[in-house]
Amino acid sequence: DGGITQSPKYLFRKEGQNVTLSCEQNLNHDAMYWYRQDPGQGLRLIYYSQIVNDFQKGDIAEGYSVSREKKESFPLTVTSAQKNPTAFYLCASSTRLASRSDTQYFGPGTRLTVL
Amino acid sequence: SQQGEEDPQALSIQEGENATMNCSYKTSINNLQWYRQNSGRGLVHLILIRSNEREKHSGRLRVTLDTSKKSSSLLITASRAADTASYFCATDARAGGTSYGKLTFGQGTILTVHP
Repeated sequence: DGGITQSPKYLFRKEGQNVTLSCEQNLNHDAMYWYRQDPGQGLRLIYYSQIVNDFQKGDIAEGYSVSREKKESFPLTVTSAQKNPTAFYLCASSTRLASRSDTQYFGPGTRLTVL
Repeated sequence: SQQGEEDPQALSIQEGENATMNCSYKTSINNLQWYRQNSGRGLVHLILIRSNEREKHSGRLRVTLDTSKKSSSLLITASRAADTASYFCATDARAGGTSYGKLTFGQGTILTVHP
């Protein structure tokens, strides 16, 4: 069953803690993305990776970090430097083939709440 | 700032009616995509229209694109209660061939279809 998974579904964090959100895909996609969604808002890009061992900052990268050691995995760490981390986090992936549309496939999301 | 802006922000209709959502954007695009999001879930790709296309159909969905006005519309015909969701437009504004599908999302239209 191909797809993209995120864990956990719900995550609670105390102020000052770092937390890591998991994202895994078995679609053999080269590109992966992390978005943040606030209530009633669209998606804002945090980080993206076009290929293993490479990633780029998106529009709101401050307070976040990522790694891309494996093609299928793109974990996101929300650090204590992120002042307002409570949000819904979505991971996505896409193929980088020029002949294909850059349709993004999304995971089910992780809802992070700071206590 | 968001590349895509949807209008209206919310739309409430009866089953069987048509629903039209609009999206405006600011810069030149390679393609424009529409996604659907059920409450608390990830996004699902609906349809992609390229900058050299004017209209595209997929089942009950019809998308138009007017690059001169930098706008797109999504029409859902014969709506059903199951169409209740948020709908987002997303633009791929890469200038060359190297940004690998980095999308910019609008804030979305919340569609409610009453049985």
